[in-house]
Amino acid sequence: NAGVMQNPRHLVRRRGQEARLRCSPMKGHSHVYWYRQLPEEGLKFMVYLQKENIIDESGMPKERFSAEFPKEGPSILRIQQVVRGDSAAYFCASSMEVGYEQYFGPGTRLTVT
Amino acid sequence: RKEVEQDPGPFNVPEGATVAFNCTYSNSASQSFFWYRQDCRKEPKLLMSVYSSGNEDGRFTAQLNRASQYISLLIRDSKLSDSATYLCVVNQGGGNKLTFGTGTQLKVEL
Repeated sequence: NAGVMQNPRHLVRRRGQEARLRCSPMKGHSHVYWYRQLPEEGLKFMVYLQKENIIDESGMPKERFSAEFPKEGPSILRIQQVVRGDSAAYFCASSMEVGYEQYFGPGTRLTVT
Repeated sequence: RKEVEQDPGPFNVPEGATVAFNCTYSNSASQSFFWYRQDCRKEPKLLMSVYSSGNEDGRFTAQLNRASQYISLLIRDSKLSDSATYLCVVNQGGGNKLTFGTGTQLKVEL
């Protein structure tokens, strides 16, 4: 009974490159959430998606960041032209229904050099 | 005022002690409440949901006071393995995003 899966676990990018983070929700879960945790800070909500739909992207930076959850395959968080300030742990969570408990994946640690 | 406030600690307690964490939230429309624990450089793990009637799971007891907008977590008979950061988490109106406190660090010592 696999939990939320994320890959890669660690990602190193140079400034200006693109970063793609993947998340597969728990079996039976159709609601996916992305959070970011900056060093020494709490987790901050970024975006909430259901299959093929972005429901709430109120926490996403206006530029360079995008997310999708296609009909087939994992959810993708994409960061274009990364900058040093994007270095953080990015966690994905999933839930069975909106408002239910959210379960987190192991995270992707992005380092921008 | 922060949306979810916690004392950052650290709380250093001996094994077997009872320890309590408190948390306040600012949005009175908040609908559901949770405690998560996070070990160093790991993902948050759900510890328990918090209900108005209070709930208990083994050595852990959570309480919610909606009038005071206050949530608590009590840990009895602390174990070394309880050492972690405890996150107070609120699911605000609409239910689709969690707002996290910055966490309270607990260190249980021999």
